[in-house]
Amino acid sequence: QKEVEQNSGPLSVPEGAIASLNCTYSDRGSQSFFWYRQYSGKSPELIMSIYSNGDKEDGRFTAQLNKASQYVSLLIRDSQPSDSATYLCAPALYGNKLVFGAGTILRVKS
Amino acid sequence: SQTIHQWPATLVQPVGSPLSLECTVEGTSNPNLYWYRQAAGRGLQLLFYSVGIGQISSEVPQNLSASRPQDRQFILSSKKLLLSDSGFYLCARLASGNEQFFGPGTRLTVL
Repeated sequence: QKEVEQNSGPLSVPEGAIASLNCTYSDRGSQSFFWYRQYSGKSPELIMSIYSNGDKEDGRFTAQLNKASQYVSLLIRDSQPSDSATYLCAPALYGNKLVFGAGTILRVKS
Repeated sequence: SQTIHQWPATLVQPVGSPLSLECTVEGTSNPNLYWYRQAAGRGLQLLFYSVGIGQISSEVPQNLSASRPQDRQFILSSKKLLLSDSGFYLCARLASGNEQFFGPGTRLTVL
């Protein structure tokens, strides 16, 4: 089992729809979870962090965490073409070491 | 503000040549710093991290080495590049919430 698993996609959604990105991780002791957005040819950009079970909302983004299921997700509401990118899930495993998933490619079609 | 600079932005090197990539950080003192590599179409692989001057931890055995000669400077090196060293090299710093922020990266092509 990989330490961090994400569906590679591409996930295609129409403009204005909700995009749902999922991630599972292996370490039950993880306490910090991050979502990064990476445009082609650019470095990753932090968009959400979540530390407690439940939902955390920031603008059009909502992160959801379920530690019992070792599952974290990112919802993007009112998806825009500018949201088209690769989304990287990065839990902090084994203490404070970030382990990155391979990423999910999101395509928002106008 | 805290800014990460990476130099050079792009680099094309022949197999067997040496390598030196530089990362410098502004606006913070004694940050934890990280080097990652991202191969084409792949995820980020942690190569090295440093908690302070002269302190380097290696995550995977490889053809690369790292040094931290100054508080805000982190250098990635190789004596002889391999084709498999091609990739996007990213420097990152650790922030207070355990998140990491990345520099703009160096794209290395080994021919």
